[in-house]
Amino acid sequence: DAKTTQPTSMDCAEGRAANLPCNHSTISGNEYVYWYRQIHSQGPQYIIHGLKNNETNEMASLIITEDRKSSTLILPHATLRDTAVYYCIVRGSGGQGAQKLVFGQGTRLTINP
Amino acid sequence: ETGVTQTPRHLVMGMTNKKSLKCEQHLGHNAMYWYKQSAKKPLELMFVYNFKEQTENNSVPSRFSPECPNSSHLFLHLHTLQPEDSALYLCASSPDDRGEYEQYFGPGTRLTVT
Repeated sequence: DAKTTQPTSMDCAEGRAANLPCNHSTISGNEYVYWYRQIHSQGPQYIIHGLKNNETNEMASLIITEDRKSSTLILPHATLRDTAVYYCIVRGSGGQGAQKLVFGQGTRLTINP
Repeated sequence: ETGVTQTPRHLVMGMTNKKSLKCEQHLGHNAMYWYKQSAKKPLELMFVYNFKEQTENNSVPSRFSPECPNSSHLFLHLHTLQPEDSALYLCASSPDDRGEYEQYFGPGTRLTVT
C-alpha cells in the first residue's frame, strides 16, 4: 500500500473551512484516496473517497491534484463536533490485500469556538 | 448509528479468564473485520471474513480466536490474554472485501486486561 503523510495536528475556528492536506506521492493508478475520521472513543467514520476527480458529499469535499500525489479534505463550515482525528488512506480496488485499510497517525483537528 | 453494534462496550478481565466480544451488523454486508487500537498506536487490522470465510489473519496470536457463524455476526474469543492486549477492539463491515467499498465501524469494545 502506498503511504500517506499528514500533519500531526491542525486548528480551525468554528464556522470556517477546515482544509486538511495529505501527501501520497507513491500512489499507483488503481489506488483510491479514502478519508475517515475518529471522534474520541468512537469507531472511525467514513467521510469520502476518490480516484481522480474531485468529489463532494454532504460531509466534505475532496480535492485531488492532477498528478494525484496529494489531496485536500475540505470541511466547508467546521463545527465543534468536527473535532477528531482525520485519516487519509490510500487503498487499492482489487486483488489480495485490497480490503486493507492501513491507518496512520492521522491529523488531530481541533475546532475552536 | 452506523448499523454495526458491539457488545460489551467495556470489559475488564483477568489474564486467566475467557471472554468473548460480539459484533453484529444490520447492513446486509458480506465482509466483516476485527481491528485493534492500542493507546497512541494506529489501528491494526487483525482478521477479515468474507461470506463467513476467513480471508486474512494479520499474524494475530492464537489467544485471539475469531468466529463468524454468518455474515451478520462476528465474535472474538479471548483467553489467557496479557496486559499489553488492553486496547479498543473495533469491528467493521463492508459489502465485500474487494476494497471498492467503505467500511462501517462499530463503537468498539474497550478491553482492560488486569
